[in-house]
Amino acid sequence: DAKTTQPNSMESNEEEPVHLPCNHSTISGTDYIHWYRQLPSQGPEYVIHGLTSNVNNRMASLAIAEDRKSSTLILHRATLRDAAVYYCILRDVVHSSGSARQLTFGSGTQLTVLP
Amino acid sequence: NAGVTQTPKFRVLKTGQSMTLLCAQDMNHEYMYWYRQDPGMGLRLIHYSVGEGTTAKGEVPDGYNVSRLKKQNFLLGLESAAPSQTSVYFCASSYETGGITEAFFGQGTRLTVV
Repeated sequence: DAKTTQPNSMESNEEEPVHLPCNHSTISGTDYIHWYRQLPSQGPEYVIHGLTSNVNNRMASLAIAEDRKSSTLILHRATLRDAAVYYCILRDVVHSSGSARQLTFGSGTQLTVLP
Repeated sequence: NAGVTQTPKFRVLKTGQSMTLLCAQDMNHEYMYWYRQDPGMGLRLIHYSVGEGTTAKGEVPDGYNVSRLKKQNFLLGLESAAPSQTSVYFCASSYETGGITEAFFGQGTRLTVV
């Protein structure tokens, strides 16, 4: 399975943009890049996903490198409520089934937002 | 919308006791999952189900059993609890269609085995 590498922790100031990196050098052509986050004492929640093109939604933007070996989750204006562990996950939903469809969580990036 | 609901939210068990954790989803999702999360770690898959009446083992299935008798419910059982099963348990569900998929998680069950 293709794996991801993320920094253990990052800090940001409130109301400033945050760029959370993720390396996935062994990504396959059909792996989608998913981002989830886990707020304190809560279950993970979906943030965004993409395949090749950059993606935007109300929560964040996802910038995917042209070679797809890395991606960056962008929070445009961090708030205190964005303090969470952010997980970058690869998921092949084209060729996989069963357990391969699971979300495999690494240790993620702990984002601290400073007031 | 209730989404994914886990029952109970907290539980303390004595070693050797049994219990069942209930996960219910109201989104008509085919896939359901049980994860555990130990302090400072990511989630690890215990068991999963790809549809009513089907279950399969995940990464850490030992000591747990599951059942999916109804599409909306996924039960996780501990037959004889051990202190090593002290953890936070998360249930999730997802509707799998191509690459457009999003998993929804419950709020977790904090289990302590003493």
